[in-house]
Amino acid sequence: DTEVTQTPKHLVMGMTNKKSLKCEQHMGHRAMYWYKQKAKKPPELMFVYSYEKLSINESVPSRFSPECPNSSLLNLHLHALQPEDSALYLCASSQEFRGEQFFGPGTRLTVL
Amino acid sequence: GQQLNQSPQSMFIQEGEDVSMNCTSSSIFNTWLWYKQDPGEGPVLLIALYKAGELTSNGRLTAQFGITRKDSFLNISASIPSDVGIYFCAGRSGNQFYFGTGTSLTVIP
Repeated sequence: DTEVTQTPKHLVMGMTNKKSLKCEQHMGHRAMYWYKQKAKKPPELMFVYSYEKLSINESVPSRFSPECPNSSLLNLHLHALQPEDSALYLCASSQEFRGEQFFGPGTRLTVL
Repeated sequence: GQQLNQSPQSMFIQEGEDVSMNCTSSSIFNTWLWYKQDPGEGPVLLIALYKAGELTSNGRLTAQFGITRKDSFLNISASIPSDVGIYFCAGRSGNQFYFGTGTSLTVIP
């Protein structure tokens, strides 16, 4: 099974709302990732978790708050977002330091 | 972060034609990956390469890990309409993946 699941598929939120994106994998991967992607552009790395600890934060604004409750789950908490944060948010996972990276289907986020 | 040079940026081809695209980097990678992405969906892994010089096939797709470890190539033979999409290469270094700028493929029936 090489599946990464993400919920919700679509999310519309106002600038004062608080929402969360969820990601799950059962491949035993210990590295999990959040990416942001704009149309027709490559994914941009936001965060990397390694063994449930945040190992890379690509200078992401604090209105994005990641959380890794256990080795299978990854959340992204959203608060006070801006319209320019509207994008496809992708979760991915991989083994540590080697092998492939698998993506989830993404959450299409629209900030009004 | 580092972005890899991927070419061509876009391709318009007739159904049945072969397609070639490549990716180059200023850095060495120990893994090269190729993905296909449909609009509004996540990238789907097509091929993974682990050794310099390695040539790997997946159906009509063939990819190569360059000898210098700084480049990779993807070929699609006998294209069909469902090959339409954006193709991304990615190089792995540690726990970071660096993506190419993408190749948008249009197949004309």
